[in-house]
Amino acid sequence: KQEVTQIPAALSVPEGENLVLNCSFTDSAIYNLQWFRQDPGKGLTSLLLIQSSQREQTSGRLNASLDKSSGRSTLYIAASQPGDSATYLCAVSTYNTDKLIFGTGTRLQVFP
Amino acid sequence: DARVTQTPRHKVTEMGQEVTMRCQPILGHNTVFWYRQTMMQGLELLAYFRNRAPLDDSGMPKDRFSAEMPDATLATLKIQPSEPRDSAVYFCASGLISSGYNEQFFGPGTRLTVL
Repeated sequence: KQEVTQIPAALSVPEGENLVLNCSFTDSAIYNLQWFRQDPGKGLTSLLLIQSSQREQTSGRLNASLDKSSGRSTLYIAASQPGDSATYLCAVSTYNTDKLIFGTGTRLQVFP
Repeated sequence: DARVTQTPRHKVTEMGQEVTMRCQPILGHNTVFWYRQTMMQGLELLAYFRNRAPLDDSGMPKDRFSAEMPDATLATLKIQPSEPRDSAVYFCASGLISSGYNEQFFGPGTRLTVL
């Protein structure tokens, strides 16, 4: 059974810092890995999708990497800003189902 | 700006009442998902459809929950009768899913409170 873990569970940093959020999964036979952010009381916003054949994806100050063999993904946030404060979720899809299996999230606070 | 829409955004009801949640997926997407989010369990899949056909509803308590797609622009999730343990945020998501590609876009959710 696929399990997805995210560490740390919470993170509080001053603005301007570069951050790394970690996601690990137990079964390396994944289709895709998707990173989301969720603001309090809101839905999920898709940030980046990495297909199983890819090693990384970039969007603005965000960079996500994927190492299937070790069952890990990292989300790198450069020059963090207070507006980055949110919960970040990673989710994987596997070959036998289209559903996403979510991690428990990292709650990020960036203070001025 | 294409996005998934859900109604209602908030619903407070009493135990035993019927609840219907609606979702309009992004036009052109072939797959629609219903997820539920709670503090204890996180995000879990309830059911999903491909080209309006149900593919998996194993996450749904079938004695009280039902999911349908009457047409390509509407998905519904119904709870009858509702119970306090159904209190959660229910998300609809859609995607253009194909072999090797599975990117899902989420709606704003319906926050359900059952008293």
